[in-house]
Order: sequence, then C-alpha cells, then structure tokens
Amino acid sequence: EDQVTQSPEALRLQEGESSSLNCSYTVSGLRGLFWYRQDPGKGPEFLFTLYSAGEEKEKERLKATLTKKESFLHITAPKPEDSATYLCAVPQEGTTDSWGKLQFGAGTQVVVTP
Amino acid sequence: EPEVTQTPSHQVTQMGQEVILRCVPISNHLYFYWYRQILGQKVEFLVSFYNNEISEKSEIFDDQFSVERPDGSNFTLKIRSTKLEDSAMYFCASKFAGGPDTQYFGPGTRLTVL
Repeated sequence: EDQVTQSPEALRLQEGESSSLNCSYTVSGLRGLFWYRQDPGKGPEFLFTLYSAGEEKEKERLKATLTKKESFLHITAPKPEDSATYLCAVPQEGTTDSWGKLQFGAGTQVVVTP
Repeated sequence: EPEVTQTPSHQVTQMGQEVILRCVPISNHLYFYWYRQILGQKVEFLVSFYNNEISEKSEIFDDQFSVERPDGSNFTLKIRSTKLEDSAMYFCASKFAGGPDTQYFGPGTRLTVL
C-alpha cells in the first residue's frame, strides 16, 4: 500500500497565481516529512523538513505546512523559475534504517507561465 | 556550499556488461544512499550504507548490485551484469546524522542499457 500520495499530478499556473500542492501519508508515527524540488534530468533538491503537526517553514515564495495526515506546499505569487516537479517523501516504516529509507510520492509537476 | 557529486553524468552500456557509478558524498556525512528513478516513475530506494556496511536494501537490490566505500571520499554502486530494465537515473544521497536528518542528493547518473 502506498504510503505517500501527492495531488494534483500536474498544475499549470499563471505567473502570480498562488496555489497549493498536497502530500498525504499513511505511515503511523510520522518521523519527518521532506519536500524536494526536482528539475528535469536533475537530482532532488532539498527544500524543507517538517517534524510535527502544526509546524510551518518558509523559503522565498514557498511555504510548507504539516498536519497529522497531510502536508501542503503553498506557492505564493509564483514565477516561471518555480516551474519544477515537487516531491514529498517520508521515512519508510518497519525497517532497521527506517530514518534513511525514504519513500517518495509521485510528485506534482508545476508549470508557471508568464 | 558542499554538495554531492556523481560521475559520469551519462553512461551507456551493453546488456550484460558491468558498470560502476561513482559518488562523492558531502565530506562530513556518515550515511550514504543510492536511489533510482525510472523515467516517468517515482524515486525508489535501493540501499543504505553506514559504518562500512549495508544497513538496509530494497527488493530491487539483488545479487547483481553491490556498493563500496573504497576510500574516505568515494561511494560506488556496481551493477555486475546490466539488464535493459536497469536503465534509469541513479541518485546518490548522503546525510550527516542518524535519525530524521536531511538527505542531500547528487545530480544523478543516467544509465542507458542497450
């Protein structure tokens, strides 16, 4: 059973049009949720780590929030350079190195047009 | 800013050949990982490595795969006899500490098996 589900799969925004991406997870006892940005043909680039419900983190036009069941990545007044695939990941349950074994969602592909 | 590096950026090989993918993790990091991403699919965990031994591996990481830290800076992934289905982007990642510390990813090696 998938532990990390992201929605929507794709999002097309006009420059300046704010929106939110969703990451829902089914692991019990969350031990961190990670947001990454991935450009085509590149490796995931770290954005945020959230550890507990209610936590929020911000970086430029991005803000990540966490509840007990899901996380949101809010993009405020996006610019074309924010176009990328945004991935969330959680440490997988029931493994010896469970902190390190990240399970990724499928990502949300964001395109911001001028 | 320290970063994870990977070489080569693109490797083309014939089915049945051995390949070695190389990574230089961030210098003071202690935990090392390999992930792969087949085109259009999720990033998948392959293996974690700590204290000179494998701490966790996925079902994908069968006897054809091996990892090594041959010196104080390099971390390698070897595929002994490549198959067509091994074609993917391979990402190396590292983190400093145990627990829910952030993993930093390299730019990836695109492996094409013909």
